[in-house]
Amino acid sequence: SAVISQKPSRDICQRGTSLTIQCQVDSQVTMMFWYRQQPGQSLTLIATANQGSEATYESGFVIDKFPISRPNLTFSTLTVSNMSPEDSSIYLCSVEKARQETQYFGPGTRLLVL
Amino acid sequence: GNSVTQMEGPVTLSEEAFLTINCTYTATGYPSLFWYVQYPGEGLQLLLKATKADDKGSNKGFEATYRKETTSFHLEKGSVQVSDSAVYFCALSVGNEKLTFGTGTRLTIIP
Repeated sequence: SAVISQKPSRDICQRGTSLTIQCQVDSQVTMMFWYRQQPGQSLTLIATANQGSEATYESGFVIDKFPISRPNLTFSTLTVSNMSPEDSSIYLCSVEKARQETQYFGPGTRLLVL
Repeated sequence: GNSVTQMEGPVTLSEEAFLTINCTYTATGYPSLFWYVQYPGEGLQLLLKATKADDKGSNKGFEATYRKETTSFHLEKGSVQVSDSAVYFCALSVGNEKLTFGTGTRLTIIP
């Protein structure tokens, strides 16, 4: 498995502002992902964070709204830009190690936009 | 495409009752199957998994068997506890592709 931490664990933000969420893993991983879980809903994949190149976004998500960085094999950030109340969600990062075909999740960042 | 259909909740049981949460799937290719659990206020934890037909995943008294013939991966536990109260997600992945999740089932166990 992997030990994954996220910062911040929760935040309350004003509309129009941006928040950057950090995801740190205790070991090198091949794949890192960012998910959104809206209140009472299941998880939706936002993007795959690629080390050294641009993230791969799922349908309905764009780089201008959710810029992602992955400077190395243990760290990634997701920024939620120009926030609106509809962005209030839990944001989770997950990781997958080579040949394990299993994703492990961080504790999540609970975001409330007023 | 890939999809997961999960028993809708919420489910409320008494302590020591038998639990079944149904999960069926459709997949292009040969999927790996997972159950994740989300305890109140926490992130997702991997509960169990199975990677090929007839495999049984098990953990913490929970079990699920990969049934290719019925495309199912039902979660079972013989005697639930109050501490099992959580939201349970069935999921699949094919190769290194993304996880596809079911809608989640909220389970509440009353003493």
